[in-house]
Amino acid sequence: QVQLQESGPGLVKPSGTLSLTCAVSGGFIRSSNWWSWVRQPPGKGLEWIGETFHSGSTHYNPSLESRGTISVDSSKNQFSLKLTSVTAADTAVYYCARVDGDKLYFDSWGQGTLVTVSS
Amino acid sequence: DIQMTQSPSSLSASVGDRVTITCRASHYIRSYLNWFQQKPGKAPKVLIYAASSLQSGVPSRFSGGGSGTDFTLTISSLQPEDFATYYCQQSYSTPRTFGQGTKVEI
Repeated sequence: QVQLQESGPGLVKPSGTLSLTCAVSGGFIRSSNWWSWVRQPPGKGLEWIGETFHSGSTHYNPSLESRGTISVDSSKNQFSLKLTSVTAADTAVYYCARVDGDKLYFDSWGQGTLVTVSS
Repeated sequence: DIQMTQSPSSLSASVGDRVTITCRASHYIRSYLNWFQQKPGKAPKVLIYAASSLQSGVPSRFSGGGSGTDFTLTISSLQPEDFATYYCQQSYSTPRTFGQGTKVEI
C-alpha cells in the first residue's frame, strides 16, 4: 500500500519561498499516476495547488499566479513543491496526494504538514 | 474554472438517520465527481469516486449518484464515526476544484 510523507520547514518568512517534499513509499513514482499538492488554510476548505507526472508534465492552479513549481525526483521516489513570494494567505496545512491515473481521484494522501508564513 | 457548490453547508443529524448531501457543478463534468470525508486534524479520505463507485474498504452505507452537473452523497444510516466534514471534488478538468464542504454534526 502506497504511503506518502510530507517534509519541510514549518515556518517561512513573508516574501520567502515555501519548499516541501513528499516521499513516496510502497509504490513507484514512475507509474501511471499523477502526483499532487493540496492545501487547507486553518478552519477552511481544500484547495488544489497542482500536479505532476513522472515525465515532468505539470498542471497548476491559476490562483497561484505562477508562484508554484512542482517537480519529480524519480531517483529518490519523491516529488516537491516550491511556492515563491509567500504571504500570510499561504499559511495552511499542505498535503501531498496520489491521483489514480485511470479514474483521476486522490486515492492516497500524506498526513499533511502545517506551514506558517510569519516574520 | 468549474465551481462546485455543496448544500447544505452544515447539518445536524442523529445516529441512524439517512443523510443526503448534494453537489452541483457550474459546468458539465460527466461522472468525474469524487467524495471525501475529513475528520479534524486528519487528511481527507476518499469515499466515492467516479460519482458512484465505492472505494475499497468504505462501508456500503455510503453511496453516490448523479452525472452531468448534479450529484448526491447518501449515508443510509448515520453512525457515530460518520460525524465529519464531507467534500465533493471534480476531476473533469484542471484546476481540480472542491466544494466548500458540508459539516455533519450531532
